[in-house]
Amino acid sequence: EAGVAQSPRYKIIEKRQSVAFWCNPISGHATLYWYQQILGQGPKLLIQFQNNGVVDDSQLPKDRFSAERLKGVDSTLKIQPAKLEDSAVYLCASSLQGSYNSPLHFGNGTRLTVT
Amino acid sequence: AQSVTQLGSHVSVSEGALVLLRCNYSSSVPPYLFWYVQYPNQGLQLLLKYTSAATLVKGINGFEAEFKKSETSFHLTKPSAHMSDAAEYFCAVSEGNTPLVFGKGTRLSVIA
Repeated sequence: EAGVAQSPRYKIIEKRQSVAFWCNPISGHATLYWYQQILGQGPKLLIQFQNNGVVDDSQLPKDRFSAERLKGVDSTLKIQPAKLEDSAVYLCASSLQGSYNSPLHFGNGTRLTVT
Repeated sequence: AQSVTQLGSHVSVSEGALVLLRCNYSSSVPPYLFWYVQYPNQGLQLLLKYTSAATLVKGINGFEAEFKKSETSFHLTKPSAHMSDAAEYFCAVSEGNTPLVFGKGTRLSVIA
């Protein structure tokens, strides 16, 4: 089966600019996650979708980050305006079921550098 | 809230030697525990998971982990390291109704 697809792989922007990341999960996976992985740390959950509804966005900085999954398939994560501390790898993951003991399948991530 | 502590941000072993990566967790309920591996410039891949069945869990690539409730540990082991095992390893915990919380990771280097 095709894996989780993410684009772009790399992005360099200046602070205060905006940026968007795209994710296409594994076909049939109802649950989609966006994680932020800062250098030297483990992934931190930003937002979880079940189909096209938000399950958990408690750690999403909503003043600058937004995400959508309009048709319950692919998803977009946006940052506007970006700050230096947003430099990180943004990982998208999907799982077949919504339960938290279901394995996550990760994409290769988008490495964002904010200068 | 659940949490994970991975002891040692960097572990170096010789090829053929035992690999031991340490993970301790904190959880108020019986946890679900996972080990993921991340190769350079790639996403995370599931190595193995514990979900309250057998306490000794076998995963891919010869890795295994043992759940020890009394020690709140879930250490990852492999009897003989291979060069291809060099990667970043993450332990993660969920309390079942909460999202996964990842540790900070341990980078494994394998010396020829």
